[in-house]
Amino acid sequence: AQSVTQLGSHVSVSEGALVLLRCNYSSSVPPYLFWYVQYPNQGLQLLLKYTTGATLVKGINGFEAEFKKSETSFHLTKPSAHMSDAAEYFCAVSDTIAGTYKYIFGTGTRLKVLA
Amino acid sequence: GAGVSQSPRYKVAKRGQDVALRCDPISGHVSLFWYQQALGQGPEFLTYFQNEAQLDKSGLPSDRFFAERPEGSVSTLKIQRTQQEDSAVYLCASSADRKEQFFGPGTRLTVL
Repeated sequence: AQSVTQLGSHVSVSEGALVLLRCNYSSSVPPYLFWYVQYPNQGLQLLLKYTTGATLVKGINGFEAEFKKSETSFHLTKPSAHMSDAAEYFCAVSDTIAGTYKYIFGTGTRLKVLA
Repeated sequence: GAGVSQSPRYKVAKRGQDVALRCDPISGHVSLFWYQQALGQGPEFLTYFQNEAQLDKSGLPSDRFFAERPEGSVSTLKIQRTQQEDSAVYLCASSADRKEQFFGPGTRLTVL
């Protein structure tokens, strides 16, 4: 079965500092991986995705993530945090084994940006 | 173009009432997913449609939960005899190619 683990349910960074949100996955087949952001009382917005090809993926709002098969990781980074980045972030893997491609989500990381 | 819409955005039900949650996917999207997001948790899969066919309902927590998509477009998630543990945000997502899902704003259900 596929699964996702997000280390750190809460992360605080200063404005302008590096953002690093960790995601590790488990999959017996090449995974499709996603990062979504959720603002209060809103749905999920896609930040970036990895399906095939280049392992360094660039997304919206200056975020990027690198797929590392050897480490089974897909950590999300941003060089300089902005106050507007404060939100909940979810890593997900798509269930390509069963064929539905349903998402399996991590438990989320709440990012707090300090002025 | 228009994204995924859900209605109502908020629903308060008394325990034991039946509720119906609606999802309007992006036009032309074949795949439709329902997820349940409990407070402080990540979304969890409930069910999946390909057009009008419900191909996976393995995530539905009990037989009180029922979903349909009769014409392959709009979908309704129905919960019968609601219980307090049903309180959550219900998210709908649609997809054209199953590689990327587009989410609606969710319906926040509170069962008193």
